[in-house]
Amino acid sequence: GAVVSQHPSRVICKSGTSVKIECRSLDFQATTMFWYRQFPKKSLMLMATSNEGSKATYEQGVEKDKFLINHASLTLSTLTVTSAHPEDSSFYICSAVKAQGITEAFFGQGTRLTVV
Amino acid sequence: DAKTTQPNSMESNEEEPVHLPCNHSTISGTDYIHWYRQLPSQGPEYVIHGLTSNVNNRMASLAIAEDRKSSTLILHRATLRDAAVYYCILRVPGNQFYFGTGTSLTVIP
Repeated sequence: GAVVSQHPSRVICKSGTSVKIECRSLDFQATTMFWYRQFPKKSLMLMATSNEGSKATYEQGVEKDKFLINHASLTLSTLTVTSAHPEDSSFYICSAVKAQGITEAFFGQGTRLTVV
Repeated sequence: DAKTTQPNSMESNEEEPVHLPCNHSTISGTDYIHWYRQLPSQGPEYVIHGLTSNVNNRMASLAIAEDRKSSTLILHRATLRDAAVYYCILRVPGNQFYFGTGTSLTVIP
């Protein structure tokens, strides 16, 4: 199966700083990637859809200036949490779909962000 | 958002079959039915998907009702490693996956 890798898997940062999370499709090209966040014992909440070479589409209620998404290539999307606050602490997960044909999404292993 | 309804939790004995139900009464003709599962602190793992016909793979079977308003994920012999949260999701045309609350499956040894 296809592999999606996130880095880092865990990160701790201080309030007010920014942190970048990378999502890579290792063995396929992904024109579309998605970013989710998940609170403890809750379901995944879609934050944004990231299309290669164009601006991300954010879900209602998600601050685009807070969560910067860049999808510069067919294998890499990044999520930057800017001016992080403790309430941004969460589990962030990316997923990717192959450019053509196959309809399932492949998920990264997630990134645990803790803002202190 | 495409909506699905699942029981919050289910239990199964080890090595017995498990039937996980999902209702999706607002499904449209082009929506695929997907199932994923998630272990704690991990990303979701693909299980199976289908459109109209029943589907089988090495992990599970997917039974889709004739009117497509419901589906059932079937694990033929539950193992302890199958304990997870199972999500039934409708794939919308933009490829987005909107997760519902899922079913937490407990497997009893």
